[in-house]
Amino acid sequence: GAGVSQSPSNKVTEKGKDVELRCDPISGHTALYWYRQRLGQGLEFLIYFQGNSAPDKSGLPSDRFSAERTGESVSTLTIQRTQQEDSAVYLCASSQPGSSLSTDTQYFGPGTRLTVL
Amino acid sequence: SQQGEEDPQALSIQEGENATMNCSYKTSINNLQWYRQNSGRGLVHLILIRSNEREKHSGRLRVTLDTSKKSSSLLITASRAADTASYFCATDQIIQGAQKLVFGQGTRLTINP
Repeated sequence: GAGVSQSPSNKVTEKGKDVELRCDPISGHTALYWYRQRLGQGLEFLIYFQGNSAPDKSGLPSDRFSAERTGESVSTLTIQRTQQEDSAVYLCASSQPGSSLSTDTQYFGPGTRLTVL
Repeated sequence: SQQGEEDPQALSIQEGENATMNCSYKTSINNLQWYRQNSGRGLVHLILIRSNEREKHSGRLRVTLDTSKKSSSLLITASRAADTASYFCATDQIIQGAQKLVFGQGTRLTINP
């Protein structure tokens, strides 16, 4: 079946512009995660959606970052007034939660490489 | 901040040799997972080991877990050029009252043909 897809695969923008990144999770997966990965670094948790529960936004680095999810499908991550420090790969993952988060395998999309000039 | 720390940060070996990567963490965990990442893109889940397990195998992969030392190792036997990738461990953490998977900084593995 289809995996997690993300678009665009690459985005180059000018400092100060807004960008919108899209994630299509695996059908039926109720959990969706956004991560940021700077060059040569590990994954930095941004936000987590689980079904109809309020999202866990504790990882969003500033109020310029926001994300929405339509039901249990598509999610968009919006970065307003982009800064050069926002340049990174933004990864989306989805999972079908079992009894606990710690046992859930996350399925990752290919990521969006964002470059802010 | 990332609580999983991989060691070494980079490893380069010859094809056919074994590759060992280590991961240390700071808090109690229920499980530890290893993921692989090619070319800075999406991660692929490799293996999960539970806190009550000491060793687990999957094909050419062998994972150990020592909860007393809060460390895990990933061994890839008979390495192949296609194993070239970054490898990350991930541990479940309670952060600000919510359970999250926390990824380490990764080990960049290069297999030379």
